[in-house]
Amino acid sequence: DAGVTQSPTHLIKTRGQQVTLRCSPKSGHDTVSWYQQALGQGPQFIFQYYEEEERQRGNFPDRFSGHQFPNYSSELNVNALLLGDSALYLCASSLGTGLTNYGYTFGSGTRLTVV
Amino acid sequence: GENVEQHPSTLSVQEGDSAVIKCTYSDSASNYFPWYKQELGKRPQLIIDIRSNVGEKKDQRIAVTLNKTAKHFSLHITETQPEDSAVYFCAASNRDDKIIFGKGTRLHILP
Repeated sequence: DAGVTQSPTHLIKTRGQQVTLRCSPKSGHDTVSWYQQALGQGPQFIFQYYEEEERQRGNFPDRFSGHQFPNYSSELNVNALLLGDSALYLCASSLGTGLTNYGYTFGSGTRLTVV
Repeated sequence: GENVEQHPSTLSVQEGDSAVIKCTYSDSASNYFPWYKQELGKRPQLIIDIRSNVGEKKDQRIAVTLNKTAKHFSLHITETQPEDSAVYFCAASNRDDKIIFGKGTRLHILP
């Protein structure tokens, strides 16, 4: 059973650069949510994609953007990287609109370090 | 929007004793409350969840309680074991499916 897969696992970027992170949801899931987890903190909601559209967004600037493809996989793009963007980026998949009863399945995350 | 407060931030208990982690939420429309366990360097994993039409749910050594009136919910771990050491996150979700997390509780099980 394929769980949620994220790539790459680790990434080092320079301030001002752009980065793209990728996520493949668990088989059978169609909704992808992205979270930023700073060291020692809880995951912070970035945005959620369903039916290839951004359905909800948290309190993150426009530098954070995303996309969902017809196969439900998703990308997170961050432009003009800041040192404060260094964090673990988690992708979570779930099934359908309003079906939170089963919770999210998380990927292992991408550790982004901005230097 | 929803805000989830969690305490304590750190909790140390003797092996075999019980641990309790408490959370409050702000949005009365929230109807789903999952708990996640995150071990060092690993992904958060769902350990138990509760919906707003239920007051308590148990799964072996783990139980969750929900007080909708007070907007409180708690995680109880009995007969703690070394492998229970981890960071635990409570979370809340309303009808629009977004899940908001607390800041986490680092649980240490002492030998």
